[in-house]
Amino acid sequence: KQEVTQIPAALSVPEGENLVLNCSFTDSAIYNLQWFRQDPGKGLTSLLLIQSSQREQTSGRLNASLDKSSGRSTLYIAASQPGDSATYLCAVRRSGGSNYKLTFGKGTLLTVNP
Amino acid sequence: DTEVTQTPKHLVMGMTNKKSLKCEQHMGHRAMYWYKQKAKKPPELMFVYSYEKLSINESVPSRFSPECPNSSLLNLHLHALQPEDSALYLCASSQVDLIAYNEQFFGPGTRLTVL
Repeated sequence: KQEVTQIPAALSVPEGENLVLNCSFTDSAIYNLQWFRQDPGKGLTSLLLIQSSQREQTSGRLNASLDKSSGRSTLYIAASQPGDSATYLCAVRRSGGSNYKLTFGKGTLLTVNP
Repeated sequence: DTEVTQTPKHLVMGMTNKKSLKCEQHMGHRAMYWYKQKAKKPPELMFVYSYEKLSINESVPSRFSPECPNSSLLNLHLHALQPEDSALYLCASSQVDLIAYNEQFFGPGTRLTVL
């Protein structure tokens, strides 16, 4: 059974800092990994999708890496801003079987202080 | 148009009521999903529709009844719910060809409270 773990559970940083969020998964047989952002009481916003054959993806100040063999992904946020405050979720899509399904981590609650 | 819309935003219902949640997308996606999210927990998959046919039911109780009337619309009919069904209900969509490789796009959710 695929399990996804996100560390840390919560992170508070001052504005302007670069930061790294971590995601690990137990089964390396995945199609892809997707990072989401969720504001309180809101839906999920897709940030980056990394296919299993890729090593990283970049969008603006965000950079996500994937090391499938070790079961790890990181989300790097450069020059953090108060507007980045949200919960960040990673989710993996397993290969084989029910590949419709995303398995989510519990998220990292990020607070960026002005 | 790259968004998924959901109505209503908030819903309060009694245990004997019948209500429906609605989801709509105009991205041409032929896979649509319902997720349930409890507070401070990750989303949990409930149903998947592919080409307007139910593909996945994650052992969801029959008091939740999904419907996909056309390729743009997804409904979730609710009847005789329990207070523990109170949650944020999220709809998502994706392309269906090579589904495993495709990004899922989520709507803003419906906050459901069952009294």
